[in-house]
Amino acid sequence: GEDVEQSLFLSVREGDSSVINCTYTDSSSTYLYWYKQEPGAGLQLLTYIFSNMDMKQDQRLTVLLNKKDKHLSLRIADTQTGDSAIYFCAEFIGGANNLFFGTGTRLTVIP
Amino acid sequence: ETGVTQTPRHLVMGMTNKKSLKCEQHLGHNAMYWYKQSAKKPLELMFVYNFKEQTENNSVPSRFSPECPNSSHLFLHLHTLQPEDSALYLCASSQGTSDNEQFFGPGTRLTVL
Repeated sequence: GEDVEQSLFLSVREGDSSVINCTYTDSSSTYLYWYKQEPGAGLQLLTYIFSNMDMKQDQRLTVLLNKKDKHLSLRIADTQTGDSAIYFCAEFIGGANNLFFGTGTRLTVIP
Repeated sequence: ETGVTQTPRHLVMGMTNKKSLKCEQHLGHNAMYWYKQSAKKPLELMFVYNFKEQTENNSVPSRFSPECPNSSHLFLHLHTLQPEDSALYLCASSQGTSDNEQFFGPGTRLTVL
């Protein structure tokens, strides 16, 4: 099956780094995604990583993928209050042609 | 308008009402999706349409009835819903179903009394 797991909550102080973790079970996933959902809004694609990569950096965002452990993380450097949102991990499985989402992690940034 | 739009943004309905949710995409995509987002649960894929044809129905109860008249519009018709159907309903679109990048609308917050 396709189980994508995330912890539900994370709180960090403004200026610190945030690390949001995700584990998945299907080794045939081709792409792994991070989406951000702000209050009252839909999901916004933040970044993604192809399954044959270990790391991807995009400005303040760093994605790390450990394919052996099926573990994905999103690091946000210098976290700002505007980063407060729910972050969803998702895997795209080509055979199913579908995205499978985690429960989302609510990030709260404390000023 | 650009992107994916959904109307209404909020809806309150009784269990005997009939209502419809609307989604429109202005991205020239061919695939459209309905997802249900409940608190503390993963997003649940409900329906997938590709070139107006339904390609997936994820065991969704018949009280939810999708309609896709063209590649730009997607509806979700609601009838005799239950309180546990209260959730955020998200529409998404992508170039095709094998295209892994989906663009989401803001969602309709549905409350069933």
